[in-house]
Amino acid sequence: LAKTTQPISMDSYEGQEVNITCSHNNIATNDYITWYQQFPSQGPRFIIQGYKTKVTNEVASLFIPADRKSSTLSLPRVSLSDTAVYYCLVGEKNSGAGSYQLTFGKGTKLSVIP
Amino acid sequence: DVKVTQSSRYLVKRTGEKVFLECVQDMDHENMFWYRQDPGLGLRLIYFSYDVKMKEKGDIPEGYSVSREKKERFSLILESASTNQTSMYLCASRLGTSSSYEQYFGPGTRLTVT
Repeated sequence: LAKTTQPISMDSYEGQEVNITCSHNNIATNDYITWYQQFPSQGPRFIIQGYKTKVTNEVASLFIPADRKSSTLSLPRVSLSDTAVYYCLVGEKNSGAGSYQLTFGKGTKLSVIP
Repeated sequence: DVKVTQSSRYLVKRTGEKVFLECVQDMDHENMFWYRQDPGLGLRLIYFSYDVKMKEKGDIPEGYSVSREKKERFSLILESASTNQTSMYLCASRLGTSSSYEQYFGPGTRLTVT
C-alpha cells in the first residue's frame, strides 16, 4: 500500500487560502488520491478525489503534478468551521476482492484562527 | 443521503466480555468497513467486506472478527474484550460499482473496556 506523508498540523487565519501538501512517493499507476475531512466526534467526510492535474469542486481544489508523487489540497478563504483534521489517502484496488481499500494516515490538524 | 448508523454512541464493557458492534447502511452498498481511531494513530482498518458473507482482514484484525449475513448490516465482534481495545470504532460503506473512493462513515462508537 502506498504510504502518505503530510504535516501534523497547520494554522491559518480566517479568509486565507490554505494549501496542505501530501507526499506519496510510491503511488501506483492505478491509484487515485483522495482527501477526507474529520470534525471532532464525527466520522470522516469525503472532500475530493483526483488522478492527475487539477480537480475542483464546491469545497476544494486538488492539484496533482505530472509525476503524481505529491498532491496539494487547496481550501479557498477558510473560515472557523474549516477547523478539522484532513486526511490524504491513496486508494488501492484489491484486485482479488474487487474492492477499494483505503489507508488513512494521521492526518493534518488545521486550526483556523479568528 | 446515505445514512450509516451504529448501534451505540458510547459503550462500557468489562474485560473478557464478548462485545458486538452493529453497523447498518440504507443505500444498498456492497462494501462495508470497520476502523478504529486512536489519538496519534489516525484511523486503522480492522476488517472490510466487499459483499454479503465476504470479509477481508485489514491492517489490525487481531482480537476481532466480523459478520455480514445481510447486505445492509456489518457487525464487529470482540470475542474477549481487553483494555487495549478501548477506542473509537467507525463503520463505513461504499457503493461497490463506483469508480470513486468515497466512503460514507457512521457517527462512531466510543468503547471503553474496564
